[in-house]
Amino acid sequence: NAGVMQNPRHLVRRRGQEARLRCSPMKGHSHVYWYRQLPEEGLKFMVYLQKENIIDESGMPKERFSAEFPKEGPSILRIQQVVRGDSAAYFCASSYTQGGGNNEQFFGPGTRLTVL
Amino acid sequence: GQQLNQSPQSMFIQEGEDVSMNCTSSSIFNTWLWYKQDPGEGPVLLIALYKAGELTSNGRLTAQFGITRKDSFLNISASIPSDVGIYFCAGLRTGTASKLTFGTGTRLQVTL
Repeated sequence: NAGVMQNPRHLVRRRGQEARLRCSPMKGHSHVYWYRQLPEEGLKFMVYLQKENIIDESGMPKERFSAEFPKEGPSILRIQQVVRGDSAAYFCASSYTQGGGNNEQFFGPGTRLTVL
Repeated sequence: GQQLNQSPQSMFIQEGEDVSMNCTSSSIFNTWLWYKQDPGEGPVLLIALYKAGELTSNGRLTAQFGITRKDSFLNISASIPSDVGIYFCAGLRTGTASKLTFGTGTRLQVTL
């Protein structure tokens, strides 16, 4: 029973390059969330997606950041023209339901992005 | 964006001691979750709470959902070295499309 999978685990980019982070939710989960964590801080919500739909992107910067969760394949968080301030750990979580009880979110191991 | 306040920020305890930490907010939450994060890893869910006043245990861990719905508590009994890590509370509000608001974390270190 595989958990949430993320790849790559570590990603190094130079300023101006693009970063693509992938997330495969747990089997049977159709809700995906992306969070960002800076060193010594808690996680901050970025975006919530269901298959082919963005439900809430209120935590995602308006420029350079985009996310998708296609009908087939993993969810992708894309950062264009990366800057040093984008260096952080990016975590994906998935859940079975969206509201009501039993709405636990299970997290992947994260992708640590370093921008040189 | 809002973060939940956790205290203490860090604690050093001896193996076998009990540990208490709490999480407070100025806003009401209808779900509280407690996670543990090890270095270089993602948060692992420990306990989920869904009703005000609810007390839930998971092995040596016990968590409570505060009556006011603005706080939650986590207790660890008889700590062991593998309890070392950062503990985060996370809250979920109705109508926020399932986005979790995380606490600032409590870093726990256990000495032999």
